[in-house]
Amino acid sequence: NAGVMQNPRHLVRRRGQEARLRCSPMKGHSHVYWYRQLPEEGLKFMVYLQKENIIDESGMPKERFSAEFPKEGPSILRIQQVVRGDSAAYFCASSPWGVEGAFFGQGTRLTVV
Amino acid sequence: EDQVTQSPEALRLQEGESSSLNCSYTVSGLRGLFWYRQDPGKGPEFLFTLYSAGEEKEKERLKATLTKKESFLHITAPKPEDSATYLCAVQANGQNFVFGPGTRLSVLP
Repeated sequence: NAGVMQNPRHLVRRRGQEARLRCSPMKGHSHVYWYRQLPEEGLKFMVYLQKENIIDESGMPKERFSAEFPKEGPSILRIQQVVRGDSAAYFCASSPWGVEGAFFGQGTRLTVV
Repeated sequence: EDQVTQSPEALRLQEGESSSLNCSYTVSGLRGLFWYRQDPGKGPEFLFTLYSAGEEKEKERLKATLTKKESFLHITAPKPEDSATYLCAVQANGQNFVFGPGTRLSVLP
C-alpha cells in the first residue's frame, strides 16, 4: 500500500512563472490537506479538500493560489506568478475519514529564483 | 481560534535520559490530538492519535497521554535515533489539523 505520493520533490521556478504541485493520496483516502512549511517553522494549514469539493481554504492566500481534487487523478496545488516569498516546502496529507490521523507525503520543495 | 503550543522549543538529552514533551491546546470541540515525528527534509511521520482525556498510547520508547488541556509525549531511555522534531496537532470541528511549532529533540550518545 503506497503512501502519499507528491511530485515533483524539488521544483525551481523563476519569478512570474506558474508552479503545479501534485499529490496522490493513499489508496482509499478521500480527504486531502495541503500545508506549507518555512525553514525552522511549523506547518501552516492551507486548504482541505474532499473529492471534487473544497471544504476549508481559510489558510490559502486569496490571490495566485488555487487547489483542486478532481474525481479522477491527483490533487493539484497551483501557484500562479510565483514570487520569492513562495519558496517553501509544501506538504500534502491524506486521511480516510477526516477524523483519523492524516498521513503525509515527503513534500515538494519549491524554490523561486 | 484553535491554538497549539509546544514546550520546550528544543531539548537535548543524553542517551538513556528520560523526559517529556508538552503540548498545550485551546480548541472548541476536540475531535482528536495527534503526535508526529519529523526528520530534516522529510514529511511528518504519524505516531499517535488520542481522542479523550485519560487516554494513553504507547509505541516502543514513546508514550502519549492526554488531559483536557494538554498532552505529553514521554520518551523513556531515548536513543540517538529518536532525535527529530516532534509535532503535536489538534483536529476540531473545523476538521483541518492545527499544528504546534514542534519540539526539536537531540539525543546525544
